[in-house]
Amino acid sequence: DIEMTQSPSSLSASVGDRVTITCRASQNVGAHLNWYQQKPGKAPNLLIFAASSLQRGVSSRFRGTGSGTDFTLTISSLQPGDVATYYCQQTHFTPRTFGQGTKVDIK
Amino acid sequence: QVEIQQWGAGLLKPSETLSLTCAVYGGSFSGYYWTWIRQPPGQGLEWIGEIDPRGSSNFKSSLMSRATISVDASKSQLSLNLTSVTAADTAVYYCSRGFGSFLEDWGQGTLVTVSS
Repeated sequence: DIEMTQSPSSLSASVGDRVTITCRASQNVGAHLNWYQQKPGKAPNLLIFAASSLQRGVSSRFRGTGSGTDFTLTISSLQPGDVATYYCQQTHFTPRTFGQGTKVDIK
Repeated sequence: QVEIQQWGAGLLKPSETLSLTCAVYGGSFSGYYWTWIRQPPGQGLEWIGEIDPRGSSNFKSSLMSRATISVDASKSQLSLNLTSVTAADTAVYYCSRGFGSFLEDWGQGTLVTVSS
């Protein structure tokens, strides 16, 4: 199975800060990489698909980059509503594995 | 507005079979990937398996021998059966729909607890 490793596991930043989360795949997954946001007690929400495509209705403050094995999710200006856990997922191979998650909160 | 609703038994005893169903309202069932995902309490997301628009299914290898995903297209419903459950199967279970294999629309989640 493809292993997805996210870093950091958690971070704390101030409102307005630029936040970067990285995701590394154990094998080349091309651009088949998605990012989800999960708020406490809620189902996850798709933010980015195909590494860099913004899902409709998602704020342009979220940006995905990367290909192959290394990917990044950037929040350009952190807002209180962005407090959540973020997961990457590869969909190039089955099983379609998730990273372990990155918990983001406000300092 | 697409809504995915899911339902099923929330409390099981070890060795019983988990059965969950989900349905889409206000949107199409056919032509999408349908996926089951679970999340043990306080932990991350685990992909269980999917069925693609052609009806082919794939599963996480460690669950393959116990899991079945089926579709009732006439009712626009998707089901998950997981046999011989143990405490390790305790989790919130989600079904999700996507035009590709990414997960666009999610059900509300069903907490399934396995306890004697």
